[in-house]
Amino acid sequence: KQEVTQIPAALSVPEGENLVLNCSFTDSAIYNLQWFRQDPGKGLTSLLLIQSSQREQTSGRLNASLDKSSGRSTLYIAASQPGDSATYLCAVKDSGAGSYQLTFGKGTKLSVIP
Amino acid sequence: ETGVTQTPRHLVMGMTNKKSLKCEQHLGHNAMYWYKQSAKKPLELMFVYNFKEQTENNSVPSRFSPECPNSSHLFLHLHTLQPEDSALYLCASSQDVWDRANYGYTFGSGTRLTVV
Repeated sequence: KQEVTQIPAALSVPEGENLVLNCSFTDSAIYNLQWFRQDPGKGLTSLLLIQSSQREQTSGRLNASLDKSSGRSTLYIAASQPGDSATYLCAVKDSGAGSYQLTFGKGTKLSVIP
Repeated sequence: ETGVTQTPRHLVMGMTNKKSLKCEQHLGHNAMYWYKQSAKKPLELMFVYNFKEQTENNSVPSRFSPECPNSSHLFLHLHTLQPEDSALYLCASSQDVWDRANYGYTFGSGTRLTVV
């Protein structure tokens, strides 16, 4: 059974810093990996999706990498801003017949201090 | 708007009430999902529908009853809930359950449910 772990559970950084959020998964046979952002009490906003054949994806100040063989993904946020404060969730979709659900980590709660 | 709309945003109900949550997607997707998010726990998949057919019931108690009349609409009917059912209920959609287009999932804003 796929398990997804996100470390750290919480992170506080001063504005302007670059930071890295980590996601690890136990079964490397994945179809894709998706990073989401969740503001308090709100739904999930998709940030980046990395297909299993890809190594990284970029959107603005965000860069996500994927190393399937080691079961790891990172989300890099450049020049952090207070508006980046949120919980970041990593979700893995397994490959193979019958694998049609996402497995989520518990998230990393990011606070960017002005 | 994310393309997935959930109503109501907030719901307070007594344990003997019957209520329904509604989800609508405008993305042309064929798979829809209900997830439950409780404090300090990962998102839990509840139900999956693919082309209006239920493909997954993740051992959810019968006091939760899903309905998918078409590929654009998904309901979650609630009756005789318990206080521990209080949570954020999220609806999501994807092109199909296999995500063959590799576009990922789109989530709604959720319904915050409080059972008193």
